[in-house]
Amino acid sequence: SAVISQKPSRDICQRGTSLTIQCQVDSQVTMMFWYRQQPGQSLTLIATANQGSEATYESGFVIDKFPISRPNLTFSTLTVSNMSPEDSSIYLCSVRDSSYEQYFGPGTRLTVT
Amino acid sequence: GENVEQHPSTLSVQEGDSAVIKCTYSDSASNYFPWYKQELGKRPQLIIDIRSNVGEKKDQRIAVTLNKTAKHFSLHITETQPEDSAVYFCAGTGFQKLVFGTGTRLLVSP
Repeated sequence: SAVISQKPSRDICQRGTSLTIQCQVDSQVTMMFWYRQQPGQSLTLIATANQGSEATYESGFVIDKFPISRPNLTFSTLTVSNMSPEDSSIYLCSVRDSSYEQYFGPGTRLTVT
Repeated sequence: GENVEQHPSTLSVQEGDSAVIKCTYSDSASNYFPWYKQELGKRPQLIIDIRSNVGEKKDQRIAVTLNKTAKHFSLHITETQPEDSAVYFCAGTGFQKLVFGTGTRLLVSP
């Protein structure tokens, strides 16, 4: 399976600021996704990161709040903009390999004060 | 779109017992059903999956069954061990995206 890393692993941010989370994969992958997992909850898909084009957002998530970049097949970033305490969560990068199996990065634990 | 329901939300068993977690899905076009194990503070890990052309799949102490007619699939863990304690998530595919169940917290007591 692909090796996925995320930076930062955790951060504490002030309300109104923005944080960019990086996801790096050790091999080229077609599909990359960003998820959010609130404490004790399931995984919610934020968007599919498309290489060379705009990300595809799920209902309830918008580009202005969660801009995503995917400049190549091994890297993506998710920015959480104008943060509020409700954005405190774990953000996970995920990739799907050619056999359709999907793997997760270690996550970024974000606390907004 | 796809909707995945998962039961039970919590499951407590004694070490050595079997555990069964059940999920139902709504989209008959779904064709891939993975199961993830998430330990506290860790990332979800893929433990087993099944595709719609297969009825059952086993990997040592874990197995997954799929009933396409009834649109449900189940995770079976035999001879449970304390290290099996975790939250387990099922998922189905809807429009090429994984839709996750709400999770089952499994506690295995020694």
